[in-house]
Amino acid sequence: DVKVTQSSRYLVKRTGEKVFLECVQDMDHENMFWYRQDPGLGLRLIYFSYDVKMKEKGDIPEGYSVSREKKERFSLILESASTNQTSMYLCASSTPKLAGTSYEQYFGPGTRLTVT
Amino acid sequence: AQSVTQPDIHITVSEGASLELRCNYSYGATPYLFWYVQSPGQGLQLLLKYFSGDTLVQGIKGFEAEFKRSQSSFNLRKPSVHWSDAAEYFCAVVPNTGGFKTIFGAGTRLFVKA
Repeated sequence: DVKVTQSSRYLVKRTGEKVFLECVQDMDHENMFWYRQDPGLGLRLIYFSYDVKMKEKGDIPEGYSVSREKKERFSLILESASTNQTSMYLCASSTPKLAGTSYEQYFGPGTRLTVT
Repeated sequence: AQSVTQPDIHITVSEGASLELRCNYSYGATPYLFWYVQSPGQGLQLLLKYFSGDTLVQGIKGFEAEFKRSQSSFNLRKPSVHWSDAAEYFCAVVPNTGGFKTIFGAGTRLFVKA
C-alpha cells in the first residue's frame, strides 16, 4: 500500500512564525502536491512538483513556498504565518500516466494548522 | 470556465436507504473522473475512477458511479447506506489535456441517520 505521511496532525503557531510542513511518500511517486482544505471550498492546490527540485505554482501559492530536495519528500513552508492560513493542509502523491497508472492521488492524513 | 460542481453541500439519508451524490463537470473533452471519500480527521481515499469504456464503474465499499456524456455527469451511488459511510465525498477530474493536475469539487457531506 502507498503510504503518505505528514509530520504533524495538529500544529499551533503564532502570527509571523516560519512554519514547515513535511510530507513523505514511500512509493517512489514522481508527482507530489500540497492542498489546503477549507469548509465549502473543497481542496485548493497550493503547489505541486513533478520531479526533484521542480515545482509549479498551483491556484493559491501566495504566502507559501515549497522544497523538494529528495523524491520522497515535499515540504510546504509558510514564510510568515498569518491567521488566514489557519486551515487543514493535505499532501498527496501520484505517478505519471506513462507509468501505467491513472493519475489517482494518494493522500496523507492532513495537518490541521492553527495560527493565533 | 472549467469547473467541477457538486450541487449538494450536505445530504442526510437513513441507514439502509439508497444514495446518489451528484457531480457535473464543465470541460471540452471528457476528463478522467474520480470520486474520493474523506472520513472525519482523515485524508482522502479513492473510491473509484473512470477513464473510458463501460460507463458504469464499480468501486470500493459497494459504491458505483455512472458516467453520462450527454449530461456531463458522474454521479455516485450506493444501493444501501451503512452508518460507516458518513463522510465527505469529493468528485474530481483530471482534464484530458496532457497534464496531471486534479480539480476537486467542493464536496458533499453525507449524514446517516439510524
